[in-house]
Amino acid sequence: GQQLNQSPQSMFIQEGEDVSMNCTSSSIFNTWLWYKQDPGEGPVLLIALYKAGELTSNGRLTAQFGITRKDSFLNISASIPSDVGIYFCAGIRSNDYKLSFGAGTTVTVRA
Amino acid sequence: DGGITQSPKYLFRKEGQNVTLSCEQNLNHDAMYWYRQDPGQGLRLIYYSQIVNDFQKGDIAEGYSVSREKKESFPLTVTSAQKNPTAFYLCASREEGGMNTEAFFGQGTRLTVV
Repeated sequence: GQQLNQSPQSMFIQEGEDVSMNCTSSSIFNTWLWYKQDPGEGPVLLIALYKAGELTSNGRLTAQFGITRKDSFLNISASIPSDVGIYFCAGIRSNDYKLSFGAGTTVTVRA
Repeated sequence: DGGITQSPKYLFRKEGQNVTLSCEQNLNHDAMYWYRQDPGQGLRLIYYSQIVNDFQKGDIAEGYSVSREKKESFPLTVTSAQKNPTAFYLCASREEGGMNTEAFFGQGTRLTVV
């Protein structure tokens, strides 16, 4: 079943606002990945994290690999209309290389 | 261009028929994955393969089958035993041999049972 708990499930935000979402798990992960999916398309990789405590940015996106290796956070600063979509976290464990996903956070931006 | 290709983009199947979804990658990746996505839902793992001629069941393997005869190909068959096959199917690949590798997705196949 689903190993990653992603929250919030959905959010409505004003253009220009900052957005935060997170994923938690009872398992330890060696890699955390964050994806964005547009309707009818495959997910596109946004940020990859490989070390506990790592903080990585990609433009207005910033993600962190939690110190406990059981959680990760994604922040979007100064949101714009094209940020609309579904954001997924994904984790890879060291013992089986299985790639598991959170349930997704749906972001809708009010212009 | 390097990438991962799924075909067809749209597929219609009659009830009781088997159907095979194609996934091909030219990224020289060892690991490949199949996921199912239902409307408003996340990605659920069907099968994954870490190496040629080897694959493991994911969380919802019942009613599906796969093969991995070539490194670049990982076809998924949706059998008549799958009771609710209508969904969006996504294939991904990842370089193996370490944890520090990203997974990349194809554009998906939308399967509809008619």
